[in-house]
Amino acid sequence: EVRLVESGGGLVQPGESLRLSCEASGFIFSSYWMNWVRQAPGERPEWVANINEDASEKYFLDSVKGRFTISRDNAKNSLYLQMNSLRADDTAVYYCARDRGFGFFDPWGRGTLVTVSS
Amino acid sequence: DIVMTQTPLSLSVTPGQPASISCKSSQSLLHSDGKTYLYWYLQKPGQSPQVLIYEVSSRFFGVPDRFSGSGSGTDFTLQISRVEAEDVGIYYCMQGLYHRTFGQGTRVEIK
Repeated sequence: EVRLVESGGGLVQPGESLRLSCEASGFIFSSYWMNWVRQAPGERPEWVANINEDASEKYFLDSVKGRFTISRDNAKNSLYLQMNSLRADDTAVYYCARDRGFGFFDPWGRGTLVTVSS
Repeated sequence: DIVMTQTPLSLSVTPGQPASISCKSSQSLLHSDGKTYLYWYLQKPGQSPQVLIYEVSSRFFGVPDRFSGSGSGTDFTLQISRVEAEDVGIYYCMQGLYHRTFGQGTRVEIK
C-alpha cells in the first residue's frame, strides 16, 4: 500500500521554527517529485513547495521563499520541510503529496497541523 | 500566478440528479507538450483531497464513470451524471502548468 505519514506539527510562537517530516512507504520514493501542500482552516489547499527526485530542483510559493526549505533523504524514504520565521498566516494543516507529474498528486498524507500563535 | 475560479461555490443536489461545476483559469493551461494540466480533486469530510480527474478528462483509477471532465484552454467543467450520497464534499480544480494553484472549491451537499 502506498502511504505517506506526516509528523512534526505543533503550536509555536511567531518567529519560531518547526521541521516537518513525511515518511513514505509502498513505492520507490526516489523515483518521484514530492510536494508540501497546506490548507488553512476553511480555505482551499495551497501548494507550498516541491522537490525533484534527486533534490537538484526545488520550487517554492512566493510567500515562503527565504523562510522555508524543502529536502529529502531517499535512503530513509523521507521528505522534510524546514519552516523558519513562522507567521500566523502559516497556520494550516500541512500535507505531503507524491507527484505523478505536473500536479497529479496521489496520494496525499493525512496531514500535520501547524499552529502559529502567541 | 495562475488564478483558478470555480462556480458555483456550493451545490445542493437531489440524489440521482446531475451536477456540474465550472472552473476557469486566468491563462491557458495548455503545455508545449500538448497536454493540459487541469485536475479535479475531491475532499470528503475529514479527509485529505483525492484526485478524481487528471489532464482535464482522464478518470483516475477507481473513480466511478458518473464523473467526467471536459474543457480546454481556460474553461473546464466537472460533471456528475447522477449524484450519490458518497459524493458529498468539496471539489477543487487545480492547475499544474506553473507551480500549482487551486480553485476556491465547490461544496456539494445532498438535499
